[in-house]
Amino acid sequence: GQNIDQPTEMTATEGAIVQINCTYQTSGFNGLFWYQQHAGEAPTFLSYNVLDGLEEKGRFSSFLSRSKGYSYLLLKELQMKDSASYLCAVSAASGGSYIPTFGRGTSLIVHP
Amino acid sequence: DSGVTQTPKHLITATGQRVTLRCSPRSGDLSVYWYQQSLDQGLQFLIQYYNGEERAKGNILERFSAQQFPDLHSELNLSSLELGDSALYFCASSVDARGGEGPNEQFFGPGTRLTVL
Repeated sequence: GQNIDQPTEMTATEGAIVQINCTYQTSGFNGLFWYQQHAGEAPTFLSYNVLDGLEEKGRFSSFLSRSKGYSYLLLKELQMKDSASYLCAVSAASGGSYIPTFGRGTSLIVHP
Repeated sequence: DSGVTQTPKHLITATGQRVTLRCSPRSGDLSVYWYQQSLDQGLQFLIQYYNGEERAKGNILERFSAQQFPDLHSELNLSSLELGDSALYFCASSVDARGGEGPNEQFFGPGTRLTVL
């Protein structure tokens, strides 16, 4: 099975930087995704890491350490619209397919 | 707009009933995934279809079934509904080329909110 842990809730100030951590235990690891989900809406893709290191995409960056089973999502220059749930999802090979297992999500509240 | 469509948006029904949720993937995507999201469980993978065939199964109850048709749209059937089945049901699609090219990002539809009374 897979076990994914991320904090339940975080708060931050507009304009600041926030780091959302995700730790996981899995077999057949094949990549880690971060998704953003606003309340009542569909998750939307933010980033994908399969190799160790940092992937940067505008204000969002994601880091992976496979040996430590650890990833983080870094959000810079926070905006009010970044208030959402951030889902860490670990992809593992399963019978010829790749099935993501999602964490419970981290609810980020950005305040002025 | 992800390009994935789901109908209906909302569904209210009674315990014991049966419902069908429909999903059309993005143009060109061969894989369809179904997820259930409830407040206490997070996003739970139910089942995946690839080009009409079942590819992987997650925590899907025996009362639930799905299929993918030749035009690649998919339906999720939920029967003998219970109060605990009330949730958001998402469909997602991805390219998912066969042969081990690695996972692909998934594009989620807007979801169907099911309320069982």
